[in-house]
Amino acid sequence: AQSVTQLDSQVPVFEEAPVELRCNYSSSVSVYLFWYVQYPNQGLQLLLKYLSGSTLVESINGFEAEFNKSQTSFHLRKPSVHISDTAEYFCASSGTSGTYKYIFGTGTRLKVLA
Amino acid sequence: NAGVTQTPKFQVLKTGQSMTLQCAQDMNHNSMYWYRQDPGMGLRLIYYSASEGTTDKGEVPNGYNVSRLNKREFSLRLESAAPSQTSVYFCASSEALRGAFFGQGTRLTVV
Repeated sequence: AQSVTQLDSQVPVFEEAPVELRCNYSSSVSVYLFWYVQYPNQGLQLLLKYLSGSTLVESINGFEAEFNKSQTSFHLRKPSVHISDTAEYFCASSGTSGTYKYIFGTGTRLKVLA
Repeated sequence: NAGVTQTPKFQVLKTGQSMTLQCAQDMNHNSMYWYRQDPGMGLRLIYYSASEGTTDKGEVPNGYNVSRLNKREFSLRLESAAPSQTSVYFCASSEALRGAFFGQGTRLTVV
């Protein structure tokens, strides 16, 4: 069975500072990994995904995540955050074959302070 | 492009009432999902449909039923609503490696 753990429920950070949101996964089979962002009163939007190949994946708005198989982690990072990055971030995993069932972590609320 | 459309956006039910949440996608995706989101618990999978004509239980299926009406539509039914079903419900669809695409959610309150 798959599971995803996000240990930090809230992360406050000052504007222009770097941030790392942690995600660890557990699975007996290969997985694909995803980060989603949710702005207030909206649905989830796909931020980036790791399927295979390069372990470092990037989004168009400056976020990046690194797949680390030995540590079963997929942490999300941004070198300099903006006020507009304030949102809830969810890590998710899915199997790599058959039915793509997405399992989500409990989310990390990122609050960027001026 | 509309993507994934959910109706209604808000609903208040009395305990014991029934209702159906509607979801439609226009991306020709095979797979569709229903999740519920509760504070501190993330998104939990209620039911999913890998393809038209198939449905399977997720993590929290009790008290819910689903229908995959056709490739576009996947509805979620509460037969006898309970306060514990107060939540925000999200429908999503996906195709292979593209990740899941979500609707805007239905905020349901059961009193």
